[in-house]
Amino acid sequence: NAGVTQTPKFRILKIGQSMTLQCAQDMNHNYMYWYRQDPGMGLKLIYYSVGAGITDKGEVPNGYNVSRSTTEDFPLRLELAAPSQTSVYFCASTLTAYNQPQHFGDGTRLSIL
Amino acid sequence: GQQVMQIPQYQHVQEGEDFTTYCNSSTTLSNIQWYKQRPGGHPVFLIQLVKSGEVKKQKRLTFQFGEAKKNSSLHITATQTTDVGTYFCAGGGSGGSNYKLTFGKGTLLTVNP
Repeated sequence: NAGVTQTPKFRILKIGQSMTLQCAQDMNHNYMYWYRQDPGMGLKLIYYSVGAGITDKGEVPNGYNVSRSTTEDFPLRLELAAPSQTSVYFCASTLTAYNQPQHFGDGTRLSIL
Repeated sequence: GQQVMQIPQYQHVQEGEDFTTYCNSSTTLSNIQWYKQRPGGHPVFLIQLVKSGEVKKQKRLTFQFGEAKKNSSLHITATQTTDVGTYFCAGGGSGGSNYKLTFGKGTLLTVNP
């Protein structure tokens, strides 16, 4: 059982480039989340989705976009990479809304130079 | 919006000493979850507390949820080197935002053997 799979694990981008961080889960979870983690700052919610076709902004959505065409996949798009987006990105999922633990992927370590 | 404060930010102990981290929310929580993140790893769910005044134990770990459901603590008895990592609390919002977690900044625990 793979759980939550994120690709790539590492990436270096130049300022202004675009890329998509992939996230897939095989647990048939309805709810999916994208977080960024900066040193000493905990996890901040970027976007979340409560089901296929439904997405909404979290705490820090600027500079990012998401889509949820299937239950399994929840890609995160960076259109014009900026140094402030250097971070570790985690995707997470949970089966239902209420009081459920979140299952995290291994993360994508992204540097923008 | 909801804020979750966690203290201390860092804690260094000698193996065998006890450790406690505290979490306080600006609003009443529907539940609180605790996660552990090993260095270079991803957050892993430890436990969830839902009821006012709830206390749960996992071997050497004791978790408490305050009577007002606005604060929580994690206590580790007789720390071991395997306890090293960052411990995060995450508060679940009430009402319509119960599917979103607000994470504290975490407490980094290091253990000297």
